[in-house]
Amino acid sequence: AQSVTQLDSHVSVSEGTPVLLRCNYSSSYSPSLFWYVQHPNKGLQLLLKYTSAATLVKGINGFEAEFKKSETSFHLTKPSAHMSDAAEYFCVVSDRRTGFQKLVFGTGTRLLVSP
Amino acid sequence: EAGVTQFPSHSVIEKGQTVTLRCDPISGHDNLYWYRRVMGKEIKFLLHFVKESKQDESGMPNNRFLAERTGGTYSTLKVQPAELEDSGVYFCASSLPGQGAGELFFGEGSRLTVL
Repeated sequence: AQSVTQLDSHVSVSEGTPVLLRCNYSSSYSPSLFWYVQHPNKGLQLLLKYTSAATLVKGINGFEAEFKKSETSFHLTKPSAHMSDAAEYFCVVSDRRTGFQKLVFGTGTRLLVSP
Repeated sequence: EAGVTQFPSHSVIEKGQTVTLRCDPISGHDNLYWYRRVMGKEIKFLLHFVKESKQDESGMPNNRFLAERTGGTYSTLKVQPAELEDSGVYFCASSLPGQGAGELFFGEGSRLTVL
């Protein structure tokens, strides 16, 4: 079965410092991996996705993630945090057994950005 | 273009009552999904419609939950009778036919509180 582990429930950074949100996945098949973000009182928004092309994936708002098969990881990074990045971030996996139609979510990481 | 809209945004009911949640997907999106986040837990898949047909309802918790999508446009999710453990946020998402795997557009969610 597929699963996702987000290692930190909360991450606090200062504005202008790097962001690292950790994610490990488990999938018996070649997975597709995603990061979604939810800002307060908003719907979830796709940040970036990996679907077996380049292992380093660039997303919106300066975020990127690297797929590392050997480590079963898909960590999300950003070189310099902005106040507007404060939100909850979800690592998500899907695979071809469900035709990539069923998403399996991690428990989420809440990113706090201080001035 | 309007996004995915959900109604109500928040509903408070007593145990044993009935609640109906509504989702209006983005126009032209044949795929419609329901997900749920129970307090403190991960977001979990409930079911997937393609137009008016249920493609996958493997995530529906029990027969107190009934989802419909008559005419292949908006969808409703009825909980009858509601139990305390049904409290959580219910998300609806939609996507175009053949859209890239996992690229869903989510609504802001309907928060259900069962007392």
